[in-house]
Amino acid sequence: QKEVEQDPGPLSVPEGAIVSLNCTYSNSAFQYFMWYRQYSRKGPELLMYTYSSGNKEDGRFTAQVDKSSKYISLFIRDSQPSDSATYLCAMSAGGNNRLAFGKGNQVVVIP
Amino acid sequence: NAGVMQNPRHLVRRRGQEARLRCSPMKGHSHVYWYRQLPEEGLKFMVYLQKENIIDESGMPKERFSAEFPKEGPSILRIQQVVRGDSAAYFCASTGSSGGETQYFGPGTRLLVL
Repeated sequence: QKEVEQDPGPLSVPEGAIVSLNCTYSNSAFQYFMWYRQYSRKGPELLMYTYSSGNKEDGRFTAQVDKSSKYISLFIRDSQPSDSATYLCAMSAGGNNRLAFGKGNQVVVIP
Repeated sequence: NAGVMQNPRHLVRRRGQEARLRCSPMKGHSHVYWYRQLPEEGLKFMVYLQKENIIDESGMPKERFSAEFPKEGPSILRIQQVVRGDSAAYFCASTGSSGGETQYFGPGTRLLVL
């Protein structure tokens, strides 16, 4: 079983729609949960950072962590064409801070 | 620009040659991580270094790969005798400490082995 599972299927949505992404994980030691955005041929850019369970909102972005289910989500409201990118979930147990990543979801927002 | 810097951005090598990838962490950061991104794959951890120390190399292939982070200068990821399967994007990230801080990534080096 992989440490982090993220269904890598591409996602196309019309502008203004809500984008919903999620990851599951198997390692109970994970305490820190992140979402990174990666534009084509660029490095990952930190989007959201959450410690332990709960919700975090930042503008149009909401991250949710449910440690009991080992499930994390990212929601993008009022999606814009500029949101078109690959979204990677990542998590860490702390300590040496090694990040475990999902495969990423390519999101295309159609004007 | 105080971000993580990597060079070269693109590197082409023939099979059997050596590849050297460099990473300068964000200003004030002393912890460096290397990740590899293969086509259609997520980023995979390779190695974690602090100045003059390798802390965790559990993700490094056993042969041909090495990394260092000297007291002065950038961190270097070295791949000897490259093979086509080494073609990938290599990303460096840095943090100021190891206790759950967020990692900031550089733009990556895209290695192509012919």
